[in-house]
Amino acid sequence: NAGVTQTPKFQVLKTGQSMTLQCAQDMNHEYMSWYRQDPGMGLRLIHYSVGAGITDQGEVPNGYNVSRSTTEDFPLRLLSAAPSQTSVYFCASKEDFLTDTQYFGPGTRLTVL
Amino acid sequence: AQSVTQPDIHITVSEGASLELRCNYSYGATPYLFWYVQSPGQGLQLLLKYFSGDTLVQGIKGFEAEFKRSQSSFNLRKPSVHWSDAAEYFCAVGSDNYGQNFVFGPGTRLSVLP
Repeated sequence: NAGVTQTPKFQVLKTGQSMTLQCAQDMNHEYMSWYRQDPGMGLRLIHYSVGAGITDQGEVPNGYNVSRSTTEDFPLRLLSAAPSQTSVYFCASKEDFLTDTQYFGPGTRLTVL
Repeated sequence: AQSVTQPDIHITVSEGASLELRCNYSYGATPYLFWYVQSPGQGLQLLLKYFSGDTLVQGIKGFEAEFKRSQSSFNLRKPSVHWSDAAEYFCAVGSDNYGQNFVFGPGTRLSVLP
């Protein structure tokens, strides 16, 4: 049971480039979410999904797209990276939207030049 | 909307000393409260959580936290800190409308002196 996995661990992009951060979980959790972590600001919710085919915006969704075609995977897409998106990104999952205990992945450190 | 403050950005304690990390929240209804720990280069690990019942909750690694509704606080404590406790600690509050959203505090970085 690998839990929540994220790839890549590190990424450097140039402004305007696109990329996808991968997130997968093998716990059959319905609910998955993406956060960004910035110094002094804690974690902020970007997007979340309550099940396959269902996504919704969190606190800071602009510049990010998500999709949820399977229960296991919840990729986060940056269509045109900006320096303001330099951050550490965490994916999390929990059993369902009624559960409050989330499991976090190890994070992806993204730098946009 | 809920919010969380952690007044201490950085705390340094000596190994073996006691620890208290402060967390204050703002939320109109009954909060769901959490403490997470993040070791360097790692993801977040849940230390403990409070939903209801006994206001003193025990967590992993010898941590405990006390919910004080009158003070809107959920402070984390440990009687004797170990060098391996050096990490960043995040307090979080979840709403009780199905709990799909958390609000995290800015974090407190703990350093431990040998």
